[in-house]
Amino acid sequence: QVQLVQSGAEVKKPGASVKVSCKASGYTFTSYDINWVRQATGQGLEWMGWMNPNSGNTGYAQKFQGRVTMTRNTSISTAYMELSSLRSEDTAVYYCARGEEGNPNAFDIWGQGTMVTVSS
Amino acid sequence: SSELTQDPAVSVALGQTVRITCQGDSLRSYYASWYQQKPGQAPVLVIYGKNNRPSGIPDRFSGSSSGNTASLTITGAQAEDEADYYCNSRDSSGKHVVFGGGTKLTVL
Repeated sequence: QVQLVQSGAEVKKPGASVKVSCKASGYTFTSYDINWVRQATGQGLEWMGWMNPNSGNTGYAQKFQGRVTMTRNTSISTAYMELSSLRSEDTAVYYCARGEEGNPNAFDIWGQGTMVTVSS
Repeated sequence: SSELTQDPAVSVALGQTVRITCQGDSLRSYYASWYQQKPGQAPVLVIYGKNNRPSGIPDRFSGSSSGNTASLTITGAQAEDEADYYCNSRDSSGKHVVFGGGTKLTVL
């Protein structure tokens, strides 16, 4: 079945970087955008950016410009999101989500989420 | 602050109809998508485009739009519909995606 499977929970110190993976299966990885969305505990959803797995083109929310990098490895159908200069406010669940064909704002498949904890 | 505004909380009696709204200037140009999120789970897409439901979403969920306001309507709300609901769309520049702050739906 169509699914996105993310890497496991991470604990990082302030100032470090984290790289979360998102492995796609059940569909052609290069045919759909991958978005990254995060959610702090008890808070709403926050869009971080998108990547076109075919071209590698990316677009980042202004808030994360300079700190986030989205990449992919098409040979293993996996997308990555790396966030640097971590601070406590980055503690959140990070989701990857597929953009629906024809409606890139519609995220039709979501990963299970990766908890990232930033703590000294 | 979000460019899409949602009421923080809404309640509905079991079996009744409820409308959840999402306001923003960009909605004059772009459709909203709607997501249901239950505690401890990833969001689930329930409505997208003009009024499209992904496979497996009950037909009691519907979407509409007028001016700067998008709406998600649940006709005959069920206990299992109690959840947080989020809208998203493009921002005012059209280049990026933005989410509303979310609405907590309580089914009484």
